[in-house]
Amino acid sequence: GAGVSQSPSNKVTEKGKDVELRCDPISGHTALYWYRQSLGQGLEFLIYFQGNSAPDKSGLPSDRFSAERTGGSVSTLTIQRTQQEDSAVYLCASSLGPSGGGGYQETQYFGPGTRLLVL
Amino acid sequence: RKEVEQDPGPFNVPEGATVAFNCTYSNSASQSFFWYRQDCRKEPKLLMSVYSSGNEDGRFTAQLNRASQYISLLIRDSKLSDSATYLCVVVVREAGTALIFGKGTTLSVSS
Repeated sequence: GAGVSQSPSNKVTEKGKDVELRCDPISGHTALYWYRQSLGQGLEFLIYFQGNSAPDKSGLPSDRFSAERTGGSVSTLTIQRTQQEDSAVYLCASSLGPSGGGGYQETQYFGPGTRLLVL
Repeated sequence: RKEVEQDPGPFNVPEGATVAFNCTYSNSASQSFFWYRQDCRKEPKLLMSVYSSGNEDGRFTAQLNRASQYISLLIRDSKLSDSATYLCVVVVREAGTALIFGKGTTLSVSS
């Protein structure tokens, strides 16, 4: 079956421009996550969606970053007025989310990422 | 103190060697633990979950010590294809369900 897909795979932009990154989670996965990974660094959590709501936005680094999710499926991460320090790989992951028995299906499946370079 | 700490390596070992990676976590409320593998310029992929009783999957063995807040991964009979970065991952319920990643330990297996 189809995995998590992200687009574009690569994006080069000029400082100060806005960019929009897209994530298509695995069908049926209610939980969606955005992370970023800078060169030589670990993964940094940005935001988590359960359905269309975002109970945890604690990782967004500044108010230039925003994300939305519609229809419980596709999500977009928008970075306004990009800065050079925004250059990184932006990874999206999805998981099944809450299970019927009250548990939580935690295994997260990652997309291939969007490599963003801000010049 | 970082939430999840790993020795970054690199660990350079010959084929057939046994290698062990360690990871410590700071939040005692951590509830779930995983090892992910990340190949160069690829996304992370789940390698295995880590349980208190320890678990084994082929050549890979994971152990959890809650008292010491310590996780380990043992790889036996290393293969060239094991070369990758191994990420220690922790889930803390009170922090939502986002995964907290260590920075990873790089393994290079040579012939």
